[in-house]
Amino acid sequence: KNQVEQSPQSLIILEGKNCTLQCNYTVSPFSNLRWYKQDTGRGPVSLTIMTFSENTKSNGRYTATLDADTKQSSLHITASQLSDSASYICVVREASGYALNFGKGTSLLVTP
Amino acid sequence: EADIYQTPRYLVIGTGKKITLECSQTMGHDKMYWYQQDPGMELHLIHYSYGVNSTEKGDLSSESTVSRIRTEHFPLTLESARPSHTSQYLCASSAEQAMDTQYFGPGTRLTVL
Repeated sequence: KNQVEQSPQSLIILEGKNCTLQCNYTVSPFSNLRWYKQDTGRGPVSLTIMTFSENTKSNGRYTATLDADTKQSSLHITASQLSDSASYICVVREASGYALNFGKGTSLLVTP
Repeated sequence: EADIYQTPRYLVIGTGKKITLECSQTMGHDKMYWYQQDPGMELHLIHYSYGVNSTEKGDLSSESTVSRIRTEHFPLTLESARPSHTSQYLCASSAEQAMDTQYFGPGTRLTVL
């Protein structure tokens, strides 16, 4: 069973609107959580990384939050642009062995 | 932009052929990885290397093999390709740190007929 669940599976929004993507995980012990952006036909690119003690991390229009108690994270995209159309992948690293657990991703489409 | 390269980007071959997917990085990273990704599914680790002459199998069983003779080069080989090998193959590298970021190549989309 996948230890990282993302929702929604896909999302369509209008350009300029905001959106929030969710990531729930059961990975334990926890080391850190990353959000990656993967454009179609490309490899993933790291957006943010958060450790246990961090609640929020921003990267331009992208803001990630982490609640380590409930094992939930979100990625908020502000004032979306057409170039935000991509798959957003949540990745949780285990503290023991440093194994990575990948979510299936949320496919975001921003339309004009 | 990460300095990690994969060739070819796209490959269509017939069953039974031997293929090698190339991956190279110019960042001097010791750790390198191969992932397999099917549409709408999560990435699965199939091989990794922590340095020259070090290779390990990942979480997902794969009939492919890898080698690490040079730090910058981590090729993946399929001795006899089958349609079940059709997938996207992503190579990544990272530095030797606990919170190291993995930098991904653009991927090779393999189709076996």
